[in-house]
Amino acid sequence: DSGVTQTPKHLITATGQRVTLRCSPRSGDLSVYWYQQSLDQGLQFLIQYYNGEERAKGNILERFSAQQFPDLHSELNLSSLELGDSALYFCASSVGLRENEQFFGPGTRLTVL
Amino acid sequence: QQQVKQSPQSLIVQKGGISIINCAYENTAFDYFPWYQQFPGKGPALLIAIRPDVSEKKEGRFTISFNKSAKQFSLHIMDSQPGDSATYFCAASKMRYSGAGSYQLTFGKGTKLSVIP
Repeated sequence: DSGVTQTPKHLITATGQRVTLRCSPRSGDLSVYWYQQSLDQGLQFLIQYYNGEERAKGNILERFSAQQFPDLHSELNLSSLELGDSALYFCASSVGLRENEQFFGPGTRLTVL
Repeated sequence: QQQVKQSPQSLIVQKGGISIINCAYENTAFDYFPWYQQFPGKGPALLIAIRPDVSEKKEGRFTISFNKSAKQFSLHIMDSQPGDSATYFCAASKMRYSGAGSYQLTFGKGTKLSVIP
């Protein structure tokens, strides 16, 4: 158990809908990263937050957004969902900016029908 | 542009054998190279990591070999066991603090390892 929690574990929804994925980092970790894992693209970085502020964006679609709250939990919002958004979404956390050891949560499996 | 190339895609090894997975990177700014192990239905778990100031790092049965000039690194699993059957991902990121930017991981495509009894 990495100490990173993610909810829900599974999510099934329809095209055009909006969903919110939640992540709680390990105790004491200030950085939260979101990754998408799909069969064709592998594990891809989406976005990073550090202590409430956005630090970097990767291959994140404009339909997707995220935030990190004062208690350091983070939410990833996916809107106008398409079939191709079906994937595993992982959250990872690390202590800060300088430490690279990232610990991954169990993931949320999103299925868009 | 795939910045970290991993091979092979799949690997079958006999119990007790050596499993070898290779990765090559392009971005010379990378200076932190971890390996993650992922079991079905689970998140990736950090296995072992190396910085380019050393050529080898060993933890138990797992060894990373690093060749900075060739921009390549590999994972060796000695005495492979059926419990090692999983998907392995190499990754790379920046570690040296530059005052700005992010330290997100760039992953290889993964290697599915099967260790047969």
